[in-house]
Amino acid sequence: QKEVEQNSGPLSVPEGAIASLNCTYSDRVSQSFFWYRQYSGKSPELIMSIYSNGDKEDGRFTAQLNKASQYVSLLIRDSQPSDSATYLCAADSGGYQKVTFGTGTKLQVIP
Amino acid sequence: KAGVTQTPRYLIKTRGQQVTLSCSPISGHRSVSWYQQTPGQGLQFLFEYFSETQRNKGNFPGRFSGRQFSNSRSEMNVSTLELGDSALYLCASSLLGITNTEAFFGQGTRLTVV
Repeated sequence: QKEVEQNSGPLSVPEGAIASLNCTYSDRVSQSFFWYRQYSGKSPELIMSIYSNGDKEDGRFTAQLNKASQYVSLLIRDSQPSDSATYLCAADSGGYQKVTFGTGTKLQVIP
Repeated sequence: KAGVTQTPRYLIKTRGQQVTLSCSPISGHRSVSWYQQTPGQGLQFLFEYFSETQRNKGNFPGRFSGRQFSNSRSEMNVSTLELGDSALYLCASSLLGITNTEAFFGQGTRLTVV
């Protein structure tokens, strides 16, 4: 079973701190990785994609990929209460748009 | 630029009935994927269509089917509804649907089976 695993949380961080969200995947053929943010009752919103080993930064968000360890992470700097949401990690499964999602990590940013 | 549009937003159906959900992708996007989201199972892939052809299918029973029209709009059908089919159904569109192309979700259709 090809899986993407995440800690369900909740992960609680104080406002202004760095939130670190982690994800592991089992399918070694996966090439593309995505982080989605989903607010309660809303649909997932793409916030980051990463395809190569290393770091990718976009504003307060940094995605990190380590294919050797089959590990993806998302760092959120200067966390804000508006960042409180469930963060979904996803990996492609080598087929056209067959993307496998983790069950998500719930992040709570405490003012 | 309009986003992904799903209709209807909410549905209540009775066990044994069938239902059809609609998804209009972002203009120019040719790939439409469908997902089922439940609290216990998270987001599960149903199938993906590209240029009116189903290219990929998840592990769902044959009661779940779909199609895509020449304008890239897609429909998903669930026959003989079961209580366990109650879920949020999401569609996502992407430009070409190949690896490295990001997908954008619609607001979803909340289906309740009673």
